[in-house]
Amino acid sequence: EADIYQTPRYLVIGTGKKITLECSQTMGHDKMYWYQQDPGMELHLIHYSYGVNSTEKGDLSSESTVSRIRTEHFPLTLESARPSHTSQYLCASSHLLSSGNTIYFGEGSWLTVV
Amino acid sequence: TQLLEQSPQFLSIQEGENLTVYCNSSSVFSSLQWYRQEPGEGPVLLVTVVTGGEVKKLKRLTFQFGDARKDSSLHITAAQPGDTGLYLCAAHRTGANNLFFGTGTRLTVIP
Repeated sequence: EADIYQTPRYLVIGTGKKITLECSQTMGHDKMYWYQQDPGMELHLIHYSYGVNSTEKGDLSSESTVSRIRTEHFPLTLESARPSHTSQYLCASSHLLSSGNTIYFGEGSWLTVV
Repeated sequence: TQLLEQSPQFLSIQEGENLTVYCNSSSVFSSLQWYRQEPGEGPVLLVTVVTGGEVKKLKRLTFQFGDARKDSSLHITAAQPGDTGLYLCAAHRTGANNLFFGTGTRLTVIP
């Protein structure tokens, strides 16, 4: 069982609010990721990190920002939420990716912006 | 352009039937993984295949990696309602930093 945790699981907020989605893993993984997934659709990588003080943009452009001050913690922040940000956000982690390495996912954070 | 195409996109079958879902690409991959995702949850890894032609079995699930390492299939024997979910393939291209996910196959097994 993966030791990666996301909070909150579900959140409904008003337009213009600032929100931070928390993600923590206890597996000592160097690499962490944030994916965005609309219901029943494919996953899109929006951010990733190779380790402390490393953050990179993913394949899908996102208005969110991330930080990696500690190895185990990779929070995602939306400074001003909009209805278009409504989606599921999945955090994941792995050892530095090489052939066959497994990515472990959290249970996801469902964000609804009204 | 989607790197990994999965088919079918949706599949609804009766309990006890067999099924196969496919994951195809024009790119060569160093490894490929299959995940199952249930509604409201994150994807959970089922298997990783690394060698071209490799076949792995996980109870009633059989996974195959194509000889050229460009495609993969997942065969489920005697499907059960507990198999219902979104099946995602994901692949790692040699030299690439990230895992690319397929479009997904949503399977519903009717009791």
